[in-house]
Amino acid sequence: GEDVEQSLFLSVREGDSSVINCTYTDSSSTYLYWYKQEPGAGLQLLTYIFSNMDMKQDQRLTVLLNKKDKHLSLRIADTQTGDSAIYFCAESIGFKTIFGAGTRLFVKA
Amino acid sequence: NAGVTQTPKFRILKIGQSMTLQCTQDMNHNYMYWYRQDPGMGLKLIYYSVGAGITDKGEVPNGYNVSRSTTEDFPLRLELAAPSQTSVYFCASSYPARTSGETQYFGPGTRLLVL
Repeated sequence: GEDVEQSLFLSVREGDSSVINCTYTDSSSTYLYWYKQEPGAGLQLLTYIFSNMDMKQDQRLTVLLNKKDKHLSLRIADTQTGDSAIYFCAESIGFKTIFGAGTRLFVKA
Repeated sequence: NAGVTQTPKFRILKIGQSMTLQCTQDMNHNYMYWYRQDPGMGLKLIYYSVGAGITDKGEVPNGYNVSRSTTEDFPLRLELAAPSQTSVYFCASSYPARTSGETQYFGPGTRLLVL
């Protein structure tokens, strides 16, 4: 079946790196995504990775994909208070997208 | 571009009432989606549409209906509202592109409370 799992909470200090982890079950996923949701707002795409890639870097964001273990991670370098939000991992299967429950990131000043 | 807009932002319904949640996108996207987000949960797909005149059920369609008469609009209808439909509803749209898969653009959400 289709399922995406992620831990619910992560707390880091400002300036530290944050690593948010996600596991997915469907090996036929073509794209994997990280979305960010700020309070009272809809989801915004942060970054995505094609399933034949191992890593993607985009400024402070690094996405690592371990296809064998079906594990995806998002690393945010030099985490700022403005990074406090809920981060959703998602996989695309055909034209559907399956979302995880979201990881709430708390950044302590 | 305004992107994806949703109205209303917030609504309180009594049990058994009906309402329509509006969603409009101005990006000429073929695909549109309705999700609900319950507290502490991920998004659950209610209905989706791959183009005008074509709709299909998602994971949790019971108690809802949709229509897609134009590319821009994808309203979600709740008939006989129930407390279990208290949630935040998000509309999204996408245009499949080979370089970015199914990147979805989300509206700001409609918060619905059924009492």
